Amino acid sequence: EPEVTQTPSHQVTQMGQEVILRCVPISNHLYFYWYRQILGQKVEFLVSFYNNEISEKSEIFDDQFSVERPDGSNFTLKIRSTKLEDSAMYFCASSEDRLSGELFFGEGSRLTVL
Amino acid sequence: QKEVEQDPGPLSVPEGAIVSLNCTYSNSAFQYFMWYRQYSRKGPELLMYTYSSGNKEDGRFTAQVDKSSKYISLFIRDSQPSDSATYLCAMSADTGRRALTFGSGTRLQVQP
Repeated sequence: EPEVTQTPSHQVTQMGQEVILRCVPISNHLYFYWYRQILGQKVEFLVSFYNNEISEKSEIFDDQFSVERPDGSNFTLKIRSTKLEDSAMYFCASSEDRLSGELFFGEGSRLTVL
Repeated sequence: QKEVEQDPGPLSVPEGAIVSLNCTYSNSAFQYFMWYRQYSRKGPELLMYTYSSGNKEDGRFTAQVDKSSKYISLFIRDSQPSDSATYLCAMSADTGRRALTFGSGTRLQVQP
């Protein structure tokens, strides 16, 4: 069964360092997303991406965050200068159809900022 | 008022019981309703997806949406210990927006 894959599964970094989280969405999907989940809290939307541009972003997705689809398969989330409060699980998701509600999530990348 | 409210539980039931999980919401623009299952430290896994009001059944799972009451439910019949997980409701508006708004999740434990 096709799945969304994410790397790394866990990254530990020092405050102020840059982090890149990587995702390989399901191959025929056109819409890509990043969500995050701080420990014990709800899953929160960060950004959606379609046709090589951001289609929507939340207030969490400030100038420290950026997304990119550098090639035909990868979708990345970059945090330019990490803060302690960026520690969370980051989930990549993809969907085939803009009108469908069916988002498929990866296993997540756990980011720990020290 | 929170946009999506969900009782965090934990909800503990014996194996074989019927489980009822629910969410209420305040945004009348929501049209797409989903239930996800999340095991500890794993990604959300889509269980049920419903558009607008009505019922949808898939095996042991039934999703119900009552837009007039802004209330959605997930029923699990013949619950199994493997159903023990956190269940998240999620929803989005009918504007082509793809951002999902999640509930906080209900932790379910099915006792063997």
